[in-house]
Order: sequence, then C-alpha cells, then structure tokens
Amino acid sequence: DSGVTQTPKHLITATGQRVTLRCSPRSGDLSVYWYQQSLDQGLQFLIQYYNGEERAKGNILERFSAQQFPDLHSELNLSSLELGDSALYFCASSQGTSGGAGYNEQFFGPGTRLTVL
Amino acid sequence: GENVEQHPSTLSVQEGDSAVIKCTYSDSASNYFPWYKQELGKGPQLIIDIRSNVGEKKDQRIAVTLNKTAKHFSLHITETQPEDSAVYFCAASKGYQLIWGAGTKLIIKP
Repeated sequence: DSGVTQTPKHLITATGQRVTLRCSPRSGDLSVYWYQQSLDQGLQFLIQYYNGEERAKGNILERFSAQQFPDLHSELNLSSLELGDSALYFCASSQGTSGGAGYNEQFFGPGTRLTVL
Repeated sequence: GENVEQHPSTLSVQEGDSAVIKCTYSDSASNYFPWYKQELGKGPQLIIDIRSNVGEKKDQRIAVTLNKTAKHFSLHITETQPEDSAVYFCAASKGYQLIWGAGTKLIIKP
C-alpha cells in the first residue's frame, strides 16, 4: 500500500458526460501528479500540482482540468467525454516538487478505471 | 521534444537467467533516471533510480547503468524469479516532470 488513495476505483459513464476523479496524497506529500494509461500503453503525464499551485503540464486535453485543494487532495475533472478517454487514471504524490537535483520518488495510487460507453 | 525510447517491448527469460532492459533519451539536460515496476492491477512502484553524477547503482539483484555520453541507461535484473514478472518503465527527467518510456513486459518462464 503506497499510502495514496484514489476514488472511485471504477467509473462507467457515457460519451459527452463529465466525471471527477479524486486523489488523496500520502501524509506530508506536497506534490500530486496525474497520469493517463490507456490499454497496454505507457504512462502519459497530464499535470502536476505542488502545494496548491500548478507546477507542470503534460499532454492534458483542454477538456480536462485539475486542482489541488488546501488540504492537498486533488481532483481531476474530465468533461465532454469521448470513447478514447477510456483508460486507467493514476494519481501519484511525492514529498517535494521535482526539478534540479531534488527529484523525489513518486508514490502511485491504485488508479481509477474509467470506461466511456 | 524530449523522447525516451525503451526496448524491448516484451522480454521473456527463463527463471534464474538475467534480464536487461534498455532506454535512450534525447535531452542532454536530463539528470535523473528512475525505473518503475508495475504489477498487474497496481500502480507503478519505484525499484531503483540513478542520477547523472553516477555511472552505476546496485540494489541486491537489480542494477542500473547510465552512459551520459551515449544518452542511454539500462536496467539489469539477475537471477530472475517469478515475482519479477511485471511491466517495467524507465523515465528521464525534464524540468519538473518525468518523460516515460513505453514500458517492457517481462515474462519469467518456469
């Protein structure tokens, strides 16, 4: 158990709908990362927050947005869902922000499996 | 842009043999290279990492080597065991984020 929790575990919805995925980082971790993993594919970095502020952005679609709240939990919002958005969405957390010589281990949650029908 | 290529995509080895997975990166500014292991139905987990001021690092049966000149790094697993079966991802740092390889599915044959 990494200490990172994600809810829900599974989510089934229809095209055009909007969903919210939730992540609680490990106690004391300030950074949260969101990743998308499509079937049999690698990890696509979406976005990173550090202590409530956006720190880095990857290949995140405009239909997707995220935020990190004062209690450090994070939510990933996916809207106008398409069939191609079906994937595993992982949240990870780390102690500090990445960068320079201070890269920190990222601890991954169990993921949310999103199915868009 | 920054790219990390990982080979092979699938690797099947006999239990007890060694396994080697290789990655190449393109950004000469990358200075941190972690390896993650993803077991079925779970999130990835860090197994070993190396920074650019080090050429090799070992942790029991696992080792990572880095060649900065050639911009490649490799994961070596010796005396493979059934529990080593998983998908392995390499990554290279780019600013505040990691650029990930596509993954290698390691199969350990009994």
